[in-house]
Amino acid sequence: ILNVEQSPQSLHVQEGDSTNFTCSFPSSNFYALHWYRWETAKSPEALFVMTLNGDEKKKGRISATLNTKEGYSYLYIKGSQPEDSATYLCAFDSGGGADGLTFGKGTHLIIQP
Amino acid sequence: EPEVTQTPSHQVTQMGQEVILRCVPISNHLYFYWYRQILGQKVEFLVSFYNNEISEKSEIFDDQFSVERPDGSNFTLKIRSTKLEDSAMYFCAGTSGTGIYEQYFGPGTRLTVT
Repeated sequence: ILNVEQSPQSLHVQEGDSTNFTCSFPSSNFYALHWYRWETAKSPEALFVMTLNGDEKKKGRISATLNTKEGYSYLYIKGSQPEDSATYLCAFDSGGGADGLTFGKGTHLIIQP
Repeated sequence: EPEVTQTPSHQVTQMGQEVILRCVPISNHLYFYWYRQILGQKVEFLVSFYNNEISEKSEIFDDQFSVERPDGSNFTLKIRSTKLEDSAMYFCAGTSGTGIYEQYFGPGTRLTVT
């Protein structure tokens, strides 16, 4: 059974502050690591798909890094805004294509104005 | 921007009844998936579907579950005889092919079995 863990489970951050959270995953059978942003009543939105050790991806104020050897990824949000409030999910991909993703429980981020 | 749609958004059913959850994937997608999230738990993979047949399925996807893509657009998940423990949010997803592709998710159907 693949174990994907995210920490912290929830996080309160002041508007304007930067924050980061972690996803840990098995270091074997790694194919890709996906990050999603999920707001209640909406579709989970794909943020990044990361494949290479040392990969770093950026989208606006959000960035992510990947360490496949030790099995972790960090998601960073710079200068948090209220619209960043959401649950951030990471998902381990062991094969692409037919294989389903294995998700963590998510980090629930609340930005306080 | 194209999106995955799911209907209904919320379904309430009695134990033992059959339910069909519907999804319309993005038109150029080739692989399709169902996931579910029981309240407070992780999103779990149920099944993947490609070329009109099941590619992979998890242990959760037992004989009570079936999937279909009858008309080339709708992708359905049927639960034959619902149990209380089937209450969950069910997500449909799709991707355009193998390799490193994002899976695009629908907004989910909340199934409540009473």
